[in-house]
Amino acid sequence: DMKVTQMPRYLIKRMGENVLLECGQDMSHETMYWYRQDPGLGLQLIYISYDVDSNSEGDIPKGYRVSRKKREHFSLILDSAKTNQTSVYFCASTPGQGATLYFGEGSRLIVV
Amino acid sequence: GDKVKQSPSALSLQEGTNSALRCNFSIAATTVQWFLQNPRGSLINLFYLVPGTKENGRLKSTFNSKESYSTLHIRDAQLEDSGTYFCAAAGGYKVVFGSGTRLLVSP
Repeated sequence: DMKVTQMPRYLIKRMGENVLLECGQDMSHETMYWYRQDPGLGLQLIYISYDVDSNSEGDIPKGYRVSRKKREHFSLILDSAKTNQTSVYFCASTPGQGATLYFGEGSRLIVV
Repeated sequence: GDKVKQSPSALSLQEGTNSALRCNFSIAATTVQWFLQNPRGSLINLFYLVPGTKENGRLKSTFNSKESYSTLHIRDAQLEDSGTYFCAAAGGYKVVFGSGTRLLVSP
């Protein structure tokens, strides 16, 4: 079963709290991504992971960090969340460079 | 500027009509993908393209890498086609999305 699973799906946090968004895939894909989606802006790339412990900044990495200790899991961490990080976060995986992206269902984060 | 530009940004169609969405790139894209985001927010894969054309039912998509654009044609639009269509261009590992075309199909 080809699936990308995101947890949690919905989250409300206070400003300054830490946030952990988790993503899992069951396809043994090497490459994984974190994007955020805001109204009218499409999806913006936060981080790319090429494989375990091999990560690269995307276009908007400020305020975020990532962790990939197992191929099937990719975490997005917000240390001290800010209100402007309220967004919908999408995780995706792909079998290789330029190949089809498979997306999770998204995680809606509200920072108050 | 926008590396992947989609047009139009919004579109209203009557059921049964045809239309085309366009995506222009300012990056050297090797592959293109089209997604439909449904009202629940899920991203549904429509097409994955290397340069060339693919067809799936009422949808047809073309990727012209030399002229840096892709199109998505919708034939005989149905109510369930409503949603936001995104194109995404891949140049290497980086995949860049356009801002989307919001499509509303009405009876």
